[in-house]
Amino acid sequence: GESVGLHLPTLSVQEGDNSIINCAYSNSASDYFIWYKQESGKGPQFIIDIRSNMDKRQGQRVTVLLNKTVKHLSLQIAATQPGDSAVYFCAEKRRNDMRFGAGTRLTVKP
Amino acid sequence: GAVVSQHPSRVICKSGTSVKIECRSLDFQATTMFWYRQFPKKSLMLMATSNEGSKATYEQGVEKDKFLINHASLTLSTLTVTSAHPEDSSFYICSARDEFTEAFFGQGTRLTVV
Repeated sequence: GESVGLHLPTLSVQEGDNSIINCAYSNSASDYFIWYKQESGKGPQFIIDIRSNMDKRQGQRVTVLLNKTVKHLSLQIAATQPGDSAVYFCAEKRRNDMRFGAGTRLTVKP
Repeated sequence: GAVVSQHPSRVICKSGTSVKIECRSLDFQATTMFWYRQFPKKSLMLMATSNEGSKATYEQGVEKDKFLINHASLTLSTLTVTSAHPEDSSFYICSARDEFTEAFFGQGTRLTVV
């Protein structure tokens, strides 16, 4: 069935480097996407969102890119810090619910 | 941002007993609440969607008699795991939204059935 999934399950980066986390989705009708950060034992926290009528959105140190042609979503984190270590999920909003990708664990090395 | 409070954060119960988990929206009226289950190192799996005053809509494969969901008010939804068994041990997370916002998540509840 249709789903949202990630290319890489784990990502390890050096502190200060930029991180890129990728996500593929298959429902071309989805019009809203969200990135969440989940620290161990906690609920997901909203990071940034993007609507399908946009291809880029920037926040503080984070940028989300949306490529509707290939149904690909990415989260870029600039100057990655140890506090960024967490699992990152992309989510696809379908009507009244959200479907999550598998998640990528980001580890930041000091 | 909006605050969603989930309680308890951790619970241990004996096999065969029932456990209730509460999800409250503290500063907005949650017209819709969602319940998710998360297995270790896995993504969130949507269990059910509930609208205030209506019966919950369960995802395929989720037993409605096992996981009772009540959304009696615009600020409170409860998930009751009935006759819990060790395989029900998991991390349960709720989220809530109103008609204007994206969903905000609770802190999650770690259920351990012994």
